[in-house]
Amino acid sequence: QVQLQQWGAGLLKPSETLSLTCAVYDGSFSNYFWNWIRQSPGKGLEWIGEINHNGRTNYNPSLTSRVTISVDTSKNQFSLNLNSVTAADTAVYYCARGGDTPMILTYWGQGTLVTVSS
Amino acid sequence: QSALTQPPSASGSRGQSVTISCTGTSSDIGGYDYVSWYQQHPGKAPKLMIYEINKRPSGVPDRFSGSRSGNTASLTVSGLQAEDEADYYCSSYAGSNSLLFGGGTKLTVL
Repeated sequence: QVQLQQWGAGLLKPSETLSLTCAVYDGSFSNYFWNWIRQSPGKGLEWIGEINHNGRTNYNPSLTSRVTISVDTSKNQFSLNLNSVTAADTAVYYCARGGDTPMILTYWGQGTLVTVSS
Repeated sequence: QSALTQPPSASGSRGQSVTISCTGTSSDIGGYDYVSWYQQHPGKAPKLMIYEINKRPSGVPDRFSGSRSGNTASLTVSGLQAEDEADYYCSSYAGSNSLLFGGGTKLTVL
């Protein structure tokens, strides 16, 4: 059973860096892309980016200047860093596994609410 | 890149069918077969319901079906049940290794 468990700081001040990590259990880590998605309160989903086990990344063009996604294959974990956060970055952040075809999200983490407030 | 366009709400009575649309452009929905639909209940993570326009993952009831015409994709839910009440999001590959979502549609089962 594939499980994704995520964690990270839930309260940030403006200009700080958001950092989240997602651990993958029984997920065939080497075979898929691993994604981050966010959802602002009461709003829709926004894809942030993805990474594979080799460290190849793809990012949302609107966030690419502030986003870094990294991978630790020894721990089957991947991480999200988003710098210079503002209140607009307040959202529930999800990690998710890709699928056998491009750009599908098959298994999701539980979500982490990150609030940016002074 | 702009978000895909979905109606904010849709509704149908139990047992009836409802169709939710998702409109994009020739650079996303109309250009690639990688259109997906996700169901999200309040406070829960989204769940993949349809991928590659009309394919269902294992375990998804065949009451859920997908289609595409030009730059518009559609999700049809037949034989509506109470548990189908949720938010539904479409997504599409948008080229350059990026993914776009729709704004979401709140489905109410009357």
